Amino acid sequence: DAMVIQNPRYQVTQFGKPVTLSCSQTLNHNVMYWYQQKSSQAPKLLFHYYDKDFNNEADTPDNFQSRRPNTSFCFLDIRSPGLGDAAMYLCATSGAGTEYHTGELFFGEGSRLTVL
Amino acid sequence: GQNIDQPTEMTATEGAIVQINCTYQTSGFNGLFWYQQHAGEAPTFLSYNVLDGLEEKGRFSSFLSRSKGYSYLLLKELQMKDSASYLCAVKDSNYQLIWGAGTKLIIKP
Repeated sequence: DAMVIQNPRYQVTQFGKPVTLSCSQTLNHNVMYWYQQKSSQAPKLLFHYYDKDFNNEADTPDNFQSRRPNTSFCFLDIRSPGLGDAAMYLCATSGAGTEYHTGELFFGEGSRLTVL
Repeated sequence: GQNIDQPTEMTATEGAIVQINCTYQTSGFNGLFWYQQHAGEAPTFLSYNVLDGLEEKGRFSSFLSRSKGYSYLLLKELQMKDSASYLCAVKDSNYQLIWGAGTKLIIKP
């Protein structure tokens, strides 16, 4: 049973056309993360939420926004996608207890974004 | 700055043993993690080391030496399905997860 679900799995957009990626979880985890991963590169953390507390990484472009309306859902909005934003976007969760400190993340299957 | 180094690519033979090394330089240390990532898929958690020594889990083992800033992932009895990227990640003093770029492991028959 999928525990972290991302939609859509594949998204094609045009240069500058806004995109929203969604993530839902059935684990009731407090912490949710959005990562960007390009081919053969390390995942790059964009944001994370600890409950409702939003944490923006210093080098995350303003073009990327996030919303977490409740514990189960989190959204990534890319306001004006550029060619350089083509990547796999990974949503992950972790518990607020031991898992937050041990680093065991539960990932969704990812949303692959193509920008034309 | 913070840095995780691991080889870009390794090749091994089905049934053999392979060791993937990881060295790290981070501000503080709160554990080292190995994740497996098949092409086009999300990473999956393999192991966690916070104390020095070897942790064994079936065909996979992970070793840590904090004084040397060094870890390795050992895969035994390699199977074709082990072809994947293996990512090393370290949690620093702020509990931020610092990721390596991954080692692509190619298994040949």
